[in-house]
Amino acid sequence: ETGVTQTPRHLVMGMTNKKSLKCEQHLGHNAMYWYKQSAKKPLELMFVYNFKEQTENNSVPSRFSPECPNSSHLFLHLHTLQPEDSALYLCASSQVLAGSTDTQYFGPGTRLTVL
Amino acid sequence: GQSLEQPSEVTAVEGAIVQINCTYQTSGFYGLSWYQQHDGGAPTFLSYNALDGLEETGRFSSFLSRSDSYGYLLLQELQMKDSASYFCAVRADNYGQNFVFGPGTRLSVLP
Repeated sequence: ETGVTQTPRHLVMGMTNKKSLKCEQHLGHNAMYWYKQSAKKPLELMFVYNFKEQTENNSVPSRFSPECPNSSHLFLHLHTLQPEDSALYLCASSQVLAGSTDTQYFGPGTRLTVL
Repeated sequence: GQSLEQPSEVTAVEGAIVQINCTYQTSGFYGLSWYQQHDGGAPTFLSYNALDGLEETGRFSSFLSRSDSYGYLLLQELQMKDSASYFCAVRADNYGQNFVFGPGTRLSVLP
């Protein structure tokens, strides 16, 4: 399998549920990202992992909890979400080197609906 | 704060040329990228500019003027399949840890 994969593709959950989103990259990259894409809003960078270390957390509520067990896998653990958290959650990876190009490879996303 | 601005919608006919502008205001600047996203699909990388000037890749070209905090994506010989949303994105640090995306421009190509 190639590229960046995400599972599940669709998820419906209640506000009291706990679920996890999974991302896997098969490109040998050293950085992985979680983005949130809501209707009519720009892509929002949520978390960045560089060499498995979390290097960025853009003021994301604690009900979102990332985990990066190795450089190929990234999880987003969800609990006690709100309806406004319904969105498309995109995972991306890139090979980060100072001065390099910025190509990010995105997965297909998980469409999350919180009831 | 950090922000990028793009037109929300652009409409053109097949075979035409269209330019999508992007202005940015960010804490740092290490490159401007463009992504295409079809409905229901993932964003895919189109081009990247770190230095001023024009980069050409087939029917797509991208331009950057750092002094004006401005760039554009130029699409030539438009095809129906080019109907999609186009996002500009700025890398605001040198190690790929801070990306800021624009709101996207919805391009509709008419027959």
